[in-house]
Parts: sequence; structure tokens; C-alpha cells
Amino acid sequence: ETGVTQTPRHLVMGMTNKKSLKCEQHLGHNAMYWYKQSAKKPLELMFVYNFKEQTENNSVPSRFSPECPNSSHLFLHLHTLQPEDSALYLCASSQGTPRGSKNIQYFGAGTRLSVL
Amino acid sequence: LAKTTQPISMDSYEGQEVNITCSHNNIATNDYITWYQQFPSQGPRFIIQGYKTKVTNEVASLFIPADRKSSTLSLPRVSLSDTAVYYCLVGGEPGGFKTIFGAGTRLFVKA
Repeated sequence: ETGVTQTPRHLVMGMTNKKSLKCEQHLGHNAMYWYKQSAKKPLELMFVYNFKEQTENNSVPSRFSPECPNSSHLFLHLHTLQPEDSALYLCASSQGTPRGSKNIQYFGAGTRLSVL
Repeated sequence: LAKTTQPISMDSYEGQEVNITCSHNNIATNDYITWYQQFPSQGPRFIIQGYKTKVTNEVASLFIPADRKSSTLSLPRVSLSDTAVYYCLVGGEPGGFKTIFGAGTRLFVKA
């Protein structure tokens, strides 16, 4: 148990569906992250939020829409996805600051997404 | 952000010590070196972090030479359950929260 909970653990959706991934952290951290990990590939950073404000958007397509209502919750809204978006989506949190940060990230177990 | 280079894969046997070296020639003054472990279909797990010299915890040791252009993760007496991908990350100012995971090192521990 890392203190970061992701739901659902598995999701199958069609290309016309709309779904949302949820992440919740119980660590009192101020920063939250979304990563995508395709099969046998490194993690790709998608979005970063610090104190609810987005600080990084790594050129992610608009069919992925993040939402961070508070420092403990992070959502990833999905719509009109493509089959190549099938991947493991990981959420992380950290108690870091932008300057000289130790920035240790704690990850959830991920959501395995399949787009049909 | 400093780029890191690690071996793609390593094999070992149970009970052996495993050393995984990471090169980070462009490390900045404020950067920390952090190692994570990832099992299949799980999120990465923090192992150890250091800035210079040697750091040891209950899981591993991290050796960092004076020039900080490389670091070595040392896993004592590995077991089958240590089979995983190990990532070396370098970060801090000015990258801030931006994190780049490389391909990592796939360690396979055999009986």
C-alpha cells in the first residue's frame, strides 16, 4: 500500500465512450502526476499538478483531459480514444517543490486501459 | 534535465550482489539521484535517493563518486523477487516536477 489509490484497476472502453480515471492520495502531498506506460516502454509523463495548478502538460492530445479539484484528488477524463491509447495509466504524488527538490514520487497500482 | 544511461538488462543468480550503474554526465548542482523499482503491471516503487558519497537503507546502497557523473545501485544478496526493472532518475532544479523515466535496467534473477 503506497498511499496512492487508483480506480478502476481495469477499464475496457470503445472509441466513442467517455470514461474517467480517478486517483486519490492519502500522503498529504502537494504534487500529483499522470503517466502513461505502453507495453514494454518507459513511463511517459503526461501531466503534473502542484497545489491544484497544472505545471506540466507534455503535449498530450486533447482527448485526455485532467482535472485536479484539490491536492488529494486527480482525475483523467477520457473521450474518443484510439486503440493506441491502450496502456497502463499511473498516478503518482510527491511532496516536492520546484527548486532543488528531492521529489520522491509515490505511485498507485495503475489503471490498465484497453480501447477497442 | 540530465539524461541518464543504464544497461538495458542484467542477469544474476540468487544470493549474489548486483550492481547497476547509471551514467548522468550532465547532472546539475542541485540534482538528486533517485532509483525506482518496477514490477510488471505495477507502479514504480522508490528504492533509494542520494546526492553524494554513499547512502544505505534496508533495501539497497547507492554509491556516488565525487564528480557525481555516475551512480551505482547495489542490491545485496538478490532473490527471485528482485526480478524487476530498475530506473535511475536525476532531477531537481530547473526541471522541477518534470520527470523523465528512461528505459531502465531489466534485472532477471535466476535460481
